Amino acid sequence: EDQVTQSPEALRLQEGESSSLNCSYTVSGLRGLFWYRQDPGKGPEFLFTLYSAGEEKEKERLKATLTKKESFLHITAPKPEDSATYLCAEEGNTPLVFGKGTRLSVIA
Amino acid sequence: EAGVTQFPSHSVIEKGQTVTLRCDPISGHDNLYWYRRVMGKEIKFLLHFVKESKQDESGMPNNRFLAERTGGTYSTLKVQPAELEDSGVYFCASSSWTSGTADTQYFGPGTRLTVL
Repeated sequence: EDQVTQSPEALRLQEGESSSLNCSYTVSGLRGLFWYRQDPGKGPEFLFTLYSAGEEKEKERLKATLTKKESFLHITAPKPEDSATYLCAEEGNTPLVFGKGTRLSVIA
Repeated sequence: EAGVTQFPSHSVIEKGQTVTLRCDPISGHDNLYWYRRVMGKEIKFLLHFVKESKQDESGMPNNRFLAERTGGTYSTLKVQPAELEDSGVYFCASSSWTSGTADTQYFGPGTRLTVL
């Protein structure tokens, strides 16, 4: 069974303190690796799709990268408004398989 | 462009009652998905419609859950009779049809179901 593992479960950063979130996946025939942001009481908000190892995508302070078994979400100089849960999901032979997420808190 | 909408936002029912959740996808999206998150767990796939046809319902937990998508537009998910373990947040997502690569799914705000 496909599995997605995200680490750490929770991360607390000072404003401006850069860091990375990890997502490891097990599917052998990856069709897409997705990153979503989820705020409390809301649905997942799409951030990035990565399709092949070596691919990178950026949006404001976020950069997502993909290897054959892992994806990283790099957050550069985060701000308090970046506080949210970040979800990783992979699509292989079945629709999206999600990880449990990383809960990010950015303190001013 | 309107996003995915879901109704109601929150439902509280007694065990044994029936509840119907509704999802309106983004206009023009042929793919519609239902997911569920129970407390402390990850979001899990329930089923996938392509237009009005069920493409994959492998994630449906049992026959108390019935999903429909009449006319290929909005979808309903009925739980009858509801049990305590059905409590959770039910998300709907939609995507447009593309071939080859994975489609980006856009999610609604979810319906929080509480079964007492």
